[in-house]
Amino acid sequence: AQSVSQHNHHVILSEAASLELGCNYSYGGTVNLFWYVQYPGQHLQLLLKYFSGDPLVKGIKGFEAEFIKSKFSFNLRKPSVQWSDTAEYFCGAVTDSWGKLQFGAGTQVVVTP
Amino acid sequence: DGGITQSPKYLFRKEGQNVTLSCEQNLNHDAMYWYRQDPGQGLRLIYYSQIVNDFQKGDIAEGYSVSREKKESFPLTVTSAQKNPTAFYLCASSLHGQSSYEQYFGPGTRLTVT
Repeated sequence: AQSVSQHNHHVILSEAASLELGCNYSYGGTVNLFWYVQYPGQHLQLLLKYFSGDPLVKGIKGFEAEFIKSKFSFNLRKPSVQWSDTAEYFCGAVTDSWGKLQFGAGTQVVVTP
Repeated sequence: DGGITQSPKYLFRKEGQNVTLSCEQNLNHDAMYWYRQDPGQGLRLIYYSQIVNDFQKGDIAEGYSVSREKKESFPLTVTSAQKNPTAFYLCASSLHGQSSYEQYFGPGTRLTVT
């Protein structure tokens, strides 16, 4: 069965540190990839997405992700985090024509001042 | 102001009772989805619907039922057969048929069953 794995469940880092969250998917065909973020008390919202083309995707709030097909990975990065980046981050993949979005377990990120 | 509304925000029920969670969207989206969010397990798909009067089971459909009588509405019923119904439930919608499968999420309903 297709699945999405997020390697880190909890990440704690200081402001200005760099962030990288790992995401791997298990599917050999065409895949659409997403990163969503859930800030405390807010809706789940889209950070960025990849469908085709340039494997380096830029999203909102300074986030970017790189699709590496050979590694089945779509890791999220931000060069310098802020306290406001404290949130839960979810990686997702769509692998079928129904648009079913398979999510990873999520990574809770805490940024300390 | 377009979006997805879910009501109520918090819901409390006694064990053995069925309960229906509301989800409405005014984005004119074709597809709608229900997810369950539990700590450490991410979001798991319960049911989804691509068009009116049609829906499909997701990964954890047992103990749940849905209907899709109108494009803008996709209510979820948590039945007494659901063994562990206490959770945070999220509804989403997307514009099916486009190159983008981006899903837009509602604010969620936190259900507590005692």
